[in-house]
Amino acid sequence: DAMVIQNPRYQVTQFGKPVTLSCSQTLNHNVMYWYQQKSSQAPKLLFHYYDKDFNNEADTPDNFQSRRPNTSFCFLDIRSPGLGDAAMYLCATSRDGGRSQPQHFGDGTRLSIL
Amino acid sequence: AQTVTQSQPEMSVQEAETVTLSCTYDTSESDYYLFWYKQPPSRQMILVIRQEAYKQQNATENRFSVNFQKAAKSFSLKISDSQLGDAAMYFCALHQGAQKLVFGQGTRLTINP
Repeated sequence: DAMVIQNPRYQVTQFGKPVTLSCSQTLNHNVMYWYQQKSSQAPKLLFHYYDKDFNNEADTPDNFQSRRPNTSFCFLDIRSPGLGDAAMYLCATSRDGGRSQPQHFGDGTRLSIL
Repeated sequence: AQTVTQSQPEMSVQEAETVTLSCTYDTSESDYYLFWYKQPPSRQMILVIRQEAYKQQNATENRFSVNFQKAAKSFSLKISDSQLGDAAMYFCALHQGAQKLVFGQGTRLTINP
């Protein structure tokens, strides 16, 4: 039973055309994360929400935005995708972000830029 | 700043053999957790095992165990009786507080039949 669901699995967009990736969770976790992962690299945290509180990483480009309209859903918006934004985007959740708690990941969305 | 280092970009092992993946980390915290995650090709990342820094006993989950050396800041993962399904990228991670994980660079594990 999928608990963190990302749609779509594959997304193709054109250079500069806005794109939205979605993530939903059935775990009722307070914290949701968005990561960018390039080939054979570690996931890079873009931002996370603790409930409605948004926490942006200092080096996340302004081109990346996020929305969390409710506990279950979180969206990643890329306003003007560049070729360098082609990557796997991972969504993850944590019950409350505590030290002992593992993060639960979705399958990811692979984004390609034409 | 907290860092996690995996010095083995790639490892391979024969099926049914044992393999150890290395991880070192640096933190100024005294209470923290360490994790090993597995990411199979085109599949989701899943938790393999976790270790609390205050626990001296090494964590074990079936064929997976860790060797946690707190003074040396070392956290290696041992996989016994390797199976084809163990082939994946393995990431070591440190919970650095503020709800965030710090990941190592990953080790790609290949299982040879």
